[in-house]
Formats: sequence, C-alpha cells, structure tokens
Amino acid sequence: GNSVTQMEGPVTLSEEAFLTINCTYTATGYPSLFWYVQYPGEGLQLLLKATKADDKGSNKGFEATYRKETTSFHLEKGSVQVSDSAVYFCALSDLWSGGFKTIFGAGTRLFVKA
Amino acid sequence: ETGVTQSPTHLIKTRGQQVTLRCSSQSGHNTVSWYQQALGQGPQFIFQYYREEENGRGNFPPRFSGLQFPNYSSELNVNALELDDSALYLCASSPSGVAGGNTIYFGEGSWLTVV
Repeated sequence: GNSVTQMEGPVTLSEEAFLTINCTYTATGYPSLFWYVQYPGEGLQLLLKATKADDKGSNKGFEATYRKETTSFHLEKGSVQVSDSAVYFCALSDLWSGGFKTIFGAGTRLFVKA
Repeated sequence: ETGVTQSPTHLIKTRGQQVTLRCSSQSGHNTVSWYQQALGQGPQFIFQYYREEENGRGNFPPRFSGLQFPNYSSELNVNALELDDSALYLCASSPSGVAGGNTIYFGEGSWLTVV
C-alpha cells in the first residue's frame, strides 16, 4: 500500500540556517505530494503541493520538488526564522474508489533558535 | 469564505462513554474526511464521506462511525471509549470526490481526553 516516510526529528537550527527535511514515498499510482505544517495547538495548514513529476511547489520561502525517480519530495528553505518552528508533515494523495485519500508521514518537529 | 470549523475544541470523557464530534465543511466542499492524531504522531485516516455516503475507511474498528448531512457537515461518533482514543481529531474537507482536486483543508481539531 501507499506510505510516506520522513526524517525523524527534532531538527534544531539557528536562525538563518538552511533547512532540509527528507521525505520519501511509496505509491502504486501517480500521487500528488504535499507538505503540511502544524503550529503548536493548531490544526494542519497546507504549506505547498506538487501534482506531477518534476513539479516544484513553493510557498513562504519553502520549496520541494517532486522526484519520481527517487520517490522523494524533500522540503527545503534557504534561511529559517524562529517563526518557522513547527511540526512539518509530508503527505501523499492518491486516487481510489470515490475520490482521493491523503496519508501522512509521522511528522518532523523543527526548532529554530534565535 | 468560511473555513473548516470543528466543535467542541476540547472535551474530557470517561472510559466506556460515547462521544460525538462535529465538523462544518469549507464552503463549496462536498467531501469530508476524519483523522486521528495521537500525541507526537502523524494524522491517521479514519474514514471519508462523499455525498452522505462513506466511501473509504482506514484501520479503525466499527465503534468509530460517522455521518454526513445534506449541507455537507459531518459527525464523528466513537462508542465505548478507550484510553487510547485520547487524541486530536481532525476534520478535513475538499471540493469533490474526484474531479474537484485532491487538496484537503483542515479544521483546528477537537482534543479528546479519555480518563
């Protein structure tokens, strides 16, 4: 079945450091890929998405490229801020009977120090 | 545009009791899915409703059940609560079962504590 694996956290960085959070997936079809972010005490917010191979999703300085050859969708940001501290979830959505089903990785907690 | 709203935000129940959680979909969305997020874990898919019918279910026992209403709002019911049911329950909506796209939008969640 479909699955998502992302690097374990926590990841601790200093402000303005470069961020990479690795995500790989297993899917039988041609899924769409997502990164969601969860701030403390809140629900999940869509950060970015990519719907086909070689697409790059980007938002708020974050970006991720859909790599079908390596089944990966790594999240990157060139210069993190304290306000980026949150839990990041990689997810895939694939077509199944009746619609799309989205499954999530376990999440990676990011701490950014001033 | 109104986003996904859930109620209640927090509640405490006793083992063996029953609970009902409610969700109003984002305007224009007719598909609702429910997820359970235990502390420190990713969301786990419970089930999905499209046009008032359940059209998919994750690995959850039958005591987890749901409803979707004509206005696309939804309920999650859990019977015979167990301590392990303590979690954040997230509702998500999306525009359509197939043709409307595959991005889901979450509510803030309902925190359930079972004691």
